[in-house]
Amino acid sequence: DVKVTQSSRYLVKRTGEKVFLECVQDMDHENMFWYRQDPGLGLRLIYFSYDVKMKEKGDIPEGYSVSREKKERFSLILESASTNQTSMYLCASTLTSGGSYEQYFGPGTRLTVT
Amino acid sequence: GDSVTQMEGPVTLSEEAFLTINCTYTATGYPSLFWYVQYPGEGLQLLLKATKADDKGSNKGFEATYRKETTSFHLEKGSVQVSDSAVYFCALEGGYNKLIFGAGTRLAVHP
Repeated sequence: DVKVTQSSRYLVKRTGEKVFLECVQDMDHENMFWYRQDPGLGLRLIYFSYDVKMKEKGDIPEGYSVSREKKERFSLILESASTNQTSMYLCASTLTSGGSYEQYFGPGTRLTVT
Repeated sequence: GDSVTQMEGPVTLSEEAFLTINCTYTATGYPSLFWYVQYPGEGLQLLLKATKADDKGSNKGFEATYRKETTSFHLEKGSVQVSDSAVYFCALEGGYNKLIFGAGTRLAVHP
């Protein structure tokens, strides 16, 4: 079974702090994604990566950056956390081959910025 | 741009009732379509998918048919259980392996 793990289930940070959210997948997937999930808005794509050291902006990249130094690990960075970044953050991964497009999700990190 | 519209929730049903959750989409071409489910406290998991027009995806008693003439992919189940209580997301493939999600529909099933 594919496993996607996220470093924390719950996180509380203060405004202005630098925040790191880590995601690891164990199935050698090329593509990895970071979403935020907010009530009534569904999932919105922040950044994605289709290879090591490659990154692409999603729909809402402002205030975020990412790092992918190894194929299995994709980090989301909040350079200076703000209260409007309080949200559920979900990481996902997928293969590029086979046209499946099935994304495998981690359990999520609920981040509260005070 | 491409988008997905789902019926607003919450949807509240009694056990063994029939379920329909509506989903319509706007897209260029004919993208693959998906339903994902999120159980409380968990990430999303794929429920079913359809890759071309008239395809029917099915899993765990849930079904959805890809209707290109109505640009719809409605989720149905004949008899829901309490364990089906979750949030359901409709999604379409948006290129580069990206998915575009609807807002989600919360389903609550009571005994």
